Amino acid sequence: QVQLQESGPGLVKPSETLSLTCTVSGDSISNNYWSWLRQPAGKGLEWIGRIYSSGDTNYNPSLKSQVTLSVDTSKNQFSLKLSSVTAADTAIYYCAREATSVGYPYYFDYWGQGSLVTVSS
Amino acid sequence: DIVMTQSPDSLAVSLGEKATINCKSSQSILYSSNSKNYLAWYQQKPGQPPKVLIYWASTRESGVPDRFSGSGSGTDFTLTISSLQAEDVAVYYCLQYYSTPRTFGQGTKVEIK
Repeated sequence: QVQLQESGPGLVKPSETLSLTCTVSGDSISNNYWSWLRQPAGKGLEWIGRIYSSGDTNYNPSLKSQVTLSVDTSKNQFSLKLSSVTAADTAIYYCAREATSVGYPYYFDYWGQGSLVTVSS
Repeated sequence: DIVMTQSPDSLAVSLGEKATINCKSSQSILYSSNSKNYLAWYQQKPGQPPKVLIYWASTRESGVPDRFSGSGSGTDFTLTISSLQAEDVAVYYCLQYYSTPRTFGQGTKVEIK
């Protein structure tokens, strides 16, 4: 059974960098696509970006200037850094795996439980 | 970006009755080379991550009750719950995975009447 678990600080100050890590168990991080998404309280879902096990990335253009994704295959983890955060970045952050077929990523089939990050001084 | 628009924003249905949720994409998400619609439906209950119900617009995920079905093609899609159960109270989202950025509908809240 594939499991994903987000970890990181729950409180970040404005203008600082939000950092989260997703630890994957039950599957190898290799040869898969891994995404970050977020959901402000009571609102909808926003895709932040994805990383392939090789390190190739795709970012949502709306967040591209703030986002850096990285992967550590030795630890079966991938990470999110979101810089210069404001209150608008307060949300539940999810990591997720994208189902793949013939090397192409499709829908999100496994999700972490989510990590609430609040941006406040 | 492909904009996904769901309707209605919320609906209240009696137990055992049918619930219908619509999702419209701003451009076709039907890939002509394989005739597949790149659309998935998710269910999200309070305090939980979204759970995939349907992918390729009409393929039910393993373990999902058969009262859930998906239909549609091109730009117009529907999620139907044929006989609403108490455990189906949730917010439902459509997702297009035709292109990046991946985009979701705004969600439809389903309640019991």
